[in-house]
Amino acid sequence: DADVTQTPRNRITKTGKRIMLECSQTKGHDRMYWYRQDPGLGLRLIYYSFDVKDINKGEISDGYSVSRQAQAKFSLSLESAIPNQTALYFCATSEDEDQPQHFGDGTRLSIL
Amino acid sequence: AQKVTQAQTEISVVEKEDVTLDCVYETRDTTYYLFWYKQPPSGELVFLIRRNSFDEQNEISGRYSWNFQKSTSSFNFTITASQVVDSAVYFCALSEGNSGYSTLTFGKGTMLLVSP
Repeated sequence: DADVTQTPRNRITKTGKRIMLECSQTKGHDRMYWYRQDPGLGLRLIYYSFDVKDINKGEISDGYSVSRQAQAKFSLSLESAIPNQTALYFCATSEDEDQPQHFGDGTRLSIL
Repeated sequence: AQKVTQAQTEISVVEKEDVTLDCVYETRDTTYYLFWYKQPPSGELVFLIRRNSFDEQNEISGRYSWNFQKSTSSFNFTITASQVVDSAVYFCALSEGNSGYSTLTFGKGTMLLVSP
């Protein structure tokens, strides 16, 4: 089984819909992250959490919200999806800032 | 603020050629960590290497090698005798290490195409 699991893997939806992307991990890491990837722009940080009670905005948090339900679960929500949020979304975990991040397989989200 | 620049957007080589992917970083911290990740066409992100700012030794792992030079703020990645399976997007990333609250900053990636 994967250490970092993202669901769904693919999602197509319409403008204005509320969408939740889920991430769960079995690595026991406190730190979890949500990124989006757009062609030519690399990975940009949306939100991050260093423990269950700690939530922080990243570089591009507008239009997104998150919930850290447990150490192992970190969800990303798009309250009212818009087409420019079409992207590949990654969840990641890490043990500490000096350790590599471990990524899920990504969620490909298309908003029509 | 930390920054990572991968100036090469795309590189095309023929199998068995050597290729170097450049990474230049900016940071004000004396303690920091550098990473390389590989993203094959299947889309997942695979961790390749981590290097801390106090260790300037070059590293070799099979056909892969990394050259870390603090004097030029560079952490370049060389693939020797490239293979088609090396075709991927490669990301360099930086984490500053003094606060305990640092996050990763990624470069925009270099797409490597290795043709037979």
